[in-house]
Amino acid sequence: GAGVSQSPSNKVTEKGKDVELRCDPISGHTALYWYRQSLGQGLEFLIYFQGNSAPDKSGLPSDRFSAERTGGSVSTLTIQRTQQEDSAVYLCASSLARGARAGELFFGEGSRLTVL
Amino acid sequence: RKEVEQDPGPFNVPEGATVAFNCTYSNSASQSFFWYRQDCRKEPKLLMSVYSSGNEDGRFTAQLNRASQYISLLIRDSKLSDSATYLCVVYPPQAGGYNKLIFGAGTRLAVHP
Repeated sequence: GAGVSQSPSNKVTEKGKDVELRCDPISGHTALYWYRQSLGQGLEFLIYFQGNSAPDKSGLPSDRFSAERTGGSVSTLTIQRTQQEDSAVYLCASSLARGARAGELFFGEGSRLTVL
Repeated sequence: RKEVEQDPGPFNVPEGATVAFNCTYSNSASQSFFWYRQDCRKEPKLLMSVYSSGNEDGRFTAQLNRASQYISLLIRDSKLSDSATYLCVVYPPQAGGYNKLIFGAGTRLAVHP
């Protein structure tokens, strides 16, 4: 597709269940980011991928959170044993990794996670 | 001091007004700067990139002041559709050469009739 695609767009789950969120970046974009945003709050950085490797995982809130990227393309963010405080919109963004345009991110529409 | 700081607002202005937001950053070695716009319950979208002293695009002007370490966004002739949160983003140099953009918390603008 032309833009960043995320799925599911909405996910309601019960506390303690595992969830998997998917991001399909723009073709050719080697940099991929995951952020989350709680209602009325700013963006919280989670993890950054350059190709398939993640040089910066510093934003992952706990070891219940993990992410991978395969083939330099699709990424999945997995949250194990979800807690109510995990409820947020999870945003994925991609960009060209090099040069002045590295900061021009293209965001997906997000996955809204609600943990009951 | 936060790496990127913005006045959260809200800025409430009438249609047709000129409004300006400032954003300060702490890393003096930062080279690239961006303004993003985020509508309510939507994803952020790139509004402007600022690589040198400034950039202008129609009613929007971004200026960079390296000496004082701030960038500004000026919106002229405000429209109702300009109501949104404006995010300041800074790209400081990183060890290892990888990217980590620093997002400000955003400034909320509300344009009223």
